[in-house]
Amino acid sequence: DAGITQSPRHKVTETGTPVTLRCHQTENHRYMYWYRQDPGHGLRLIHYSYGVKDTDKGEVSDGYSVSRSKTEDFLLTLESATSSQTSVYFCAISDSGSNEKLFFGSGTQLSVL
Amino acid sequence: SQQGEEDPQALSIQEGENATMNCSYKTSINNLQWYRQNSGRGLVHLILIRSNEREKHSGRLRVTLDTSKKSSSLLITASRAADTASYFCATGIIQGAQKLVFGQGTRLTINP
Repeated sequence: DAGITQSPRHKVTETGTPVTLRCHQTENHRYMYWYRQDPGHGLRLIHYSYGVKDTDKGEVSDGYSVSRSKTEDFLLTLESATSSQTSVYFCAISDSGSNEKLFFGSGTQLSVL
Repeated sequence: SQQGEEDPQALSIQEGENATMNCSYKTSINNLQWYRQNSGRGLVHLILIRSNEREKHSGRLRVTLDTSKKSSSLLITASRAADTASYFCATGIIQGAQKLVFGQGTRLTINP
């Protein structure tokens, strides 16, 4: 999957606990994204980054925060997980702009009980 | 309707037949992309067509874009069992910031 590693691949957690998902890339691409995929909704953008320490909100950013301290790492944090955040989370990267071709990681299946 | 709606939601055909999936969108775009997703995996980019292009080919894939009708189609010729997957269109739009908006996908099943 194009030098993108997501960790963990699966996680089960309880409501109210903090959760951090990690995306690591070896492609040196400038742009990184977090999407969530849910039945009936397709993929929705949570947050994205256009450079180190440069991030912005997507369409479903409430309840999520991100950080990018290095080019290769983009972290997604759920400060206090809720059952509505049960989803599959995908990281994606791009070297040519935020609406150009994306390369996706394999995803993280998160279950919030 | 949402930006980027695929039709049909599910398609089942015999191996060797052609598969056609459609995507409609609402706002102006600067490109339209198609992605494939195998079960349990991430999305894989298939093809990108820009707003000033009408047709593009890549191997057994043919994509058309009609900006006047705000629609696109993906044709897979001579389908194979390995083409079984979900296919998503994604529209590259500019609304303040550039972004890529995904549809809900077409589930394609190729029967041997």
